[in-house]
Amino acid sequence: SHELTQPPSVSVSPGQTARITCSGDTLPKKYVYWYQQKSGQAPVLVIYEDTKRPSGIPERFSGSSSGTVATLTISGAQVKDEADYYCYSTDSSVLFGGGTKLTVL
Amino acid sequence: QLRLQESGPGLVKPSETLSLTCSVSGGSVSSTTFYWDWVRQPPGKGLEWIGGIYYDGSTYHNPSLESRATISVDTSKNQFSLRLSSVTAADTAVYFCARKYCSTIPDIWSGSNYFDYWGQGILVTVSS
Repeated sequence: SHELTQPPSVSVSPGQTARITCSGDTLPKKYVYWYQQKSGQAPVLVIYEDTKRPSGIPERFSGSSSGTVATLTISGAQVKDEADYYCYSTDSSVLFGGGTKLTVL
Repeated sequence: QLRLQESGPGLVKPSETLSLTCSVSGGSVSSTTFYWDWVRQPPGKGLEWIGGIYYDGSTYHNPSLESRATISVDTSKNQFSLRLSSVTAADTAVYFCARKYCSTIPDIWSGSNYFDYWGQGILVTVSS
């Protein structure tokens, strides 16, 4: 079965750039999406169709995808960006990555 | 503004059936552009997709759960529901309902498709 693989954790200092990767063999032919989930809350879409940002999402959030790896980049990460981040894609089923805990301190 | 609200028992006994309802306001489950899905999250773990339904009753499920999960829609009440049979402690989770945009219905796996609105989630504990 297809899977999406993320690093369990990423840690940066405030103001630094955080990069979270998502790898999967379906990504060359399928869109990837990114969700932010803060503790006790529902997920929020921060990137859709590989690179697009929904209205209301700060410009510091960006996405890219090349081959089998997609990357969520948070430029100038802030303490309030601390959250779990999940990549998502589909290939005859819904696929979620295992999630990456971003620590900003 | 679309709003989704889960409701149902917070405690279910092992071997029984978990039943949840998602009430939709500010939009219609009869919309032709969206599926209506269930996603769960065990405590401290990641997101697991359960399945979804279209307004006409067409459903699709996670193969790992398909035999236990039943999803239905009531367009007159603007609601959709989940029933999960023969539950065990492994089914303890926060259950979210969510709207799924699909750009290429009925070919739901092509094009762009993603969850754009989520309910707040409801914790269901399986315990005797």
